[in-house]
Amino acid sequence: EPEVTQTPSHQVTQMGQEVILRCVPISNHLYFYWYRQILGQKVEFLVSFYNNEISEKSEIFDDQFSVERPDGSNFTLKIRSTKLEDSAMYFCASIGGETEAFFGQGTRLTVV
Amino acid sequence: GEDVEQSLFLSVREGDSSVINCTYTDSSSTYLYWYKQEPGAGLQLLTYIFSNMDMKQDQRLTVLLNKKDKHLSLRIADTQTGDSAIYFCAERAGGGKLIFGQGTELSVKP
Repeated sequence: EPEVTQTPSHQVTQMGQEVILRCVPISNHLYFYWYRQILGQKVEFLVSFYNNEISEKSEIFDDQFSVERPDGSNFTLKIRSTKLEDSAMYFCASIGGETEAFFGQGTRLTVV
Repeated sequence: GEDVEQSLFLSVREGDSSVINCTYTDSSSTYLYWYKQEPGAGLQLLTYIFSNMDMKQDQRLTVLLNKKDKHLSLRIADTQTGDSAIYFCAERAGGGKLIFGQGTELSVKP
């Protein structure tokens, strides 16, 4: 079965540092997403990406966040200056066509 | 706005059926999904249903959709202890993003 791969699985960083979370979506998918889940809470939409640009972003996705697809396979989420409240599980997802939305296993980000 | 609601907890005995309910607000949703999340793990796609269907069955899983009432349910037949997890309902909203419910924690007692 195809899968979305995320690295690292766990990242610990100091407040104020930049982090880059990496995702390899399913190869023939066209729509890519980042979501986050603060411990014990809902999974929240951050941003969607299509045709090499952001198609939609939520209020959470402020100027500290950016996304990039630097090559044909990777899809990255950058947080420029991390805050304690950025600690969460970050999920990447990709959708092919109209149906299945596959999620990666997530990156647990801990900001100390 | 778009919103998805689920009850927070469900407890059943092994071998019983579990029914997890979900309501959503966006009547233009094209697809509705059920995901399973085990502790510390990612989101596993269990099944999905297209909005013009009433029912979908996949082995032990049955999804029922009442589009008029915007109500979705997931029935797990012969529930096993390995089914203990958090189950998320999600609707596919405009632009393709998924809107998730808060998750239902299913506890299966032997």
